[in-house]
Amino acid sequence: DTGVSQDPRHKITKRGQNVTFRCDPISEHNRLYWYRQTLGQGPEFLTYFQNEAQLEKSRLLSDRFSAERPKGSFSTLEIQRTEQGDSAMYLCASSLTSGYTFGSGTRLTVV
Amino acid sequence: QKEVEQNSGPLSVPEGAIASLNCTYSDRGSQSFFWYRQYSGKSPELIMSIYSNGDKEDGRFTAQLNKASQYVSLLIRDSQPSDSATYLCAVNRHRDDKIIFGKGTRLHILP
Repeated sequence: DTGVSQDPRHKITKRGQNVTFRCDPISEHNRLYWYRQTLGQGPEFLTYFQNEAQLEKSRLLSDRFSAERPKGSFSTLEIQRTEQGDSAMYLCASSLTSGYTFGSGTRLTVV
Repeated sequence: QKEVEQNSGPLSVPEGAIASLNCTYSDRGSQSFFWYRQYSGKSPELIMSIYSNGDKEDGRFTAQLNKASQYVSLLIRDSQPSDSATYLCAVNRHRDDKIIFGKGTRLHILP
């Protein structure tokens, strides 16, 4: 499979718990993006990496969110002390030039 | 003014007819424009990209771009029930090379 992979597909967690999502981009793509999408809205930008460098982080991300991309390969997005408002689909995308290829997303439900 | 605006719909079109989806954007410097299709519960899928004024055709899909009017559209000919989905307009923002999404237009093809 040469597409963008995300794991897990679904995550249900209790409020206050920490969660971590993983994204494996298309291997030759040097840019990796995280977006969040809630019902009825388009994807909203969270952060992106060019190789291993995190170039921008949205103001949407509080200090409870952190993302890494060690060695410019896969990326992780961690949410600490989850809140009900964090419930959403978390989308990872990668690109080489223009146009993104999205993974299947991780749907987070905080109960 | 929102950066990328779309009518949320739903837009109902009879099977076999032409579906017309519209989008306006605010950044005059944008150079790259995309249409994504998103089925319920799934991640967005890139279906068309357009970079210069005029029309671009791919099968039953035609993307139209008018940079002077800051307007992008997607036409779907011979609409099929499988075209029922949310269509997201996305624009590459010039100042930071980031893709910004509209909220999407829900399209419903009536059998």
